Amino acid sequence: KAGVTQTPRYLIKTRGQQVTLSCSPISGHRSVSWYQQTPGQGLQFLFEYFSETQRNKGNFPGRFSGRQFSNSRSEMNVSTLELGDSALYLCASSPTGVGEQYFGPGTRLTVT
Amino acid sequence: QKEVEQDPGPLSVPEGAIVSLNCTYSNSAFQYFMWYRQYSRKGPELLMYTYSSGNKEDGRFTAQVDKSSKYISLFIRDSQPSDSATYLCAMSEGNTPLVFGKGTRLSVIA
Repeated sequence: KAGVTQTPRYLIKTRGQQVTLSCSPISGHRSVSWYQQTPGQGLQFLFEYFSETQRNKGNFPGRFSGRQFSNSRSEMNVSTLELGDSALYLCASSPTGVGEQYFGPGTRLTVT
Repeated sequence: QKEVEQDPGPLSVPEGAIVSLNCTYSNSAFQYFMWYRQYSRKGPELLMYTYSSGNKEDGRFTAQVDKSSKYISLFIRDSQPSDSATYLCAMSEGNTPLVFGKGTRLSVIA
């Protein structure tokens, strides 16, 4: 089976812009979670989607949003980018959202 | 107190050594425990997955969960330079988000 894929892999944006990241889960997986990874904070949970519904949400401002499509693919959007949003954004998929999750390679976002 | 504590290292060992990596946690409701390996500039790779207490072995890797002590461990036998990476513990209650440790950076010296 193909693994989790994320596009784009690298992105450079300017403060104030918005960005959309994409994630394709492992075939058959219905749960997609998004995480932000920074050297200082480690891996922090953003949100989880299951069957097109947001099931869990982390402690991030409303500038961070996401959605999931009927084929389980997911997108994450960040509006009004700030310098502190520079991070590795990771997507993980799971058959049911309970237990183990499988990560993609991540999208490295740099905000200048 | 952080929900999951993990010594950041770095940990440097000679090739062939047995490596012990550990995490402690405070939430007694955690039931699912995972270890991930992350190479530089890559996504985390699932190494071991354990439900509830007990041991699990897969090749050179052994995961242990002691729920009474709120303590989990990952042992790597016959460590190789290719094991050099950051190791992350993660855990969850079930239908809840994974909570990660900050990761331990391991270097295996040939």
